[in-house]
Amino acid sequence: DAGVTQSPTHLIKTRGQQVTLRCSPKSGHDTVSWYQQALGQGPQFIFQYYEEEERQRGNFPDRFSGHQFPNYSSELNVNALLLGDSALYLCASSLADLYGYTFGSGTRLTVV
Amino acid sequence: GQQLNQSPQSMFIQEGEDVSMNCTSSSIFNTWLWYKQEPGEGPVLLIALYKAGELTSNGRLTAQFGITRKDSFLNISASIPSDVGIYFCAGGMDSSYKLIFGSGTRLLVRP
Repeated sequence: DAGVTQSPTHLIKTRGQQVTLRCSPKSGHDTVSWYQQALGQGPQFIFQYYEEEERQRGNFPDRFSGHQFPNYSSELNVNALLLGDSALYLCASSLADLYGYTFGSGTRLTVV
Repeated sequence: GQQLNQSPQSMFIQEGEDVSMNCTSSSIFNTWLWYKQEPGEGPVLLIALYKAGELTSNGRLTAQFGITRKDSFLNISASIPSDVGIYFCAGGMDSSYKLIFGSGTRLLVRP
């Protein structure tokens, strides 16, 4: 049974560029959450998608946007990249009952 | 904003020793969770707590949901080398879908 799959695993981008990260949830899960984890810190909530809608958003600027597809997979888009966007981006899937998260291994984004 | 204060920041212990770490907050949470993260991986759920005062075990791990709902602790008994990793506490509220994470406790175990 595949868990949460994220791609790519690593990415290097230049300031000002745009990036798209992808996530396939665990089989049977319908909810996808995205978290940003800076080096040495705990994950911070970006947003959560359920039924193809953004259900809740954390304290992140509009440069961060997302999408959920009918098959429950999800994308995270970040525009106008800043050096401070360098982090591990984690996708977590769950059923709609909140906290039974399964995390993927993340995408390591480096902005230079 | 909501913050979780997790301590200690790091621990370097001898194999076989017991370990204790805790998490405190100025806010009340309805759910406390403990995760472990190893290098190159995402966090893995260890224990979930849903009721104030609840004490739950998972093998050598034991966690408690504080009575005030503002704190939680995790104990690991008889540590082994594979316990190495970063342990995160996380809190959730019924009114929110997001988890608030602590900054982690890095555990190193000396064989």
